[in-house]
Amino acid sequence: SQTIHQWPATLVQPVGSPLSLECTVEGTSNPNLYWYRQAAGRGLQLLFYSVGIGQISSEVPQNLSASRPQDRQFILSSKKLLLSDSGFYLCAWFGLNYGYTFGSGTRLTVV
Amino acid sequence: DAKTTQPTSMDCAEGRAANLPCNHSTISGNEYVYWYRQIHSQGPQYIIHGLKNNETNEMASLIITEDRKSSTLILPHATLRDTAVYYCIVRVAQAEGNEKLTFGTGTRLTIIP
Repeated sequence: SQTIHQWPATLVQPVGSPLSLECTVEGTSNPNLYWYRQAAGRGLQLLFYSVGIGQISSEVPQNLSASRPQDRQFILSSKKLLLSDSGFYLCAWFGLNYGYTFGSGTRLTVV
Repeated sequence: DAKTTQPTSMDCAEGRAANLPCNHSTISGNEYVYWYRQIHSQGPQYIIHGLKNNETNEMASLIITEDRKSSTLILPHATLRDTAVYYCIVRVAQAEGNEKLTFGTGTRLTIIP
């Protein structure tokens, strides 16, 4: 079966510090991968999606970037965090059986 | 932008059926209706999906209108653990799809003891 791993679960970072969130998928190959962000009390906002290694599409211009160095690895990064980057970050992949499968999420607090 | 509209919140008595509506009037012929739910501080969880026929699984039933412009998710015997935000989305089923899909705010369902 397919599983998705996301870490860390929680993160507190100072303003101006770098960020790296990692997501890996098991049990599937060449998955479509997605990064979503959820601000408190809001819906899920699509940040990036990737249909293959090195292929990244950005949906929202912002302080973040994404990379896909391996087929089943998706990384969300920032060189300098802003207060507005705080939120709940979710990695997901899309499959035919269940649609989106989400990771457990990372709650990022920028202080 | 989300292509669906849902009520912001709903209450349901424990043990009763919870019926959550979703409007998707611009749905295309090859788009499926998916339902997910998100319990606080967790990732959204798949519930059910369908194209045109009604669907049922161990968690819920999905009723899609004949014109496919709306649907209803039914939790037959709601429990306190069903308290969550429920999202309805539409998209094509092919994994190659790169839809710029943003989930809306969903329906916050509260089960009342």
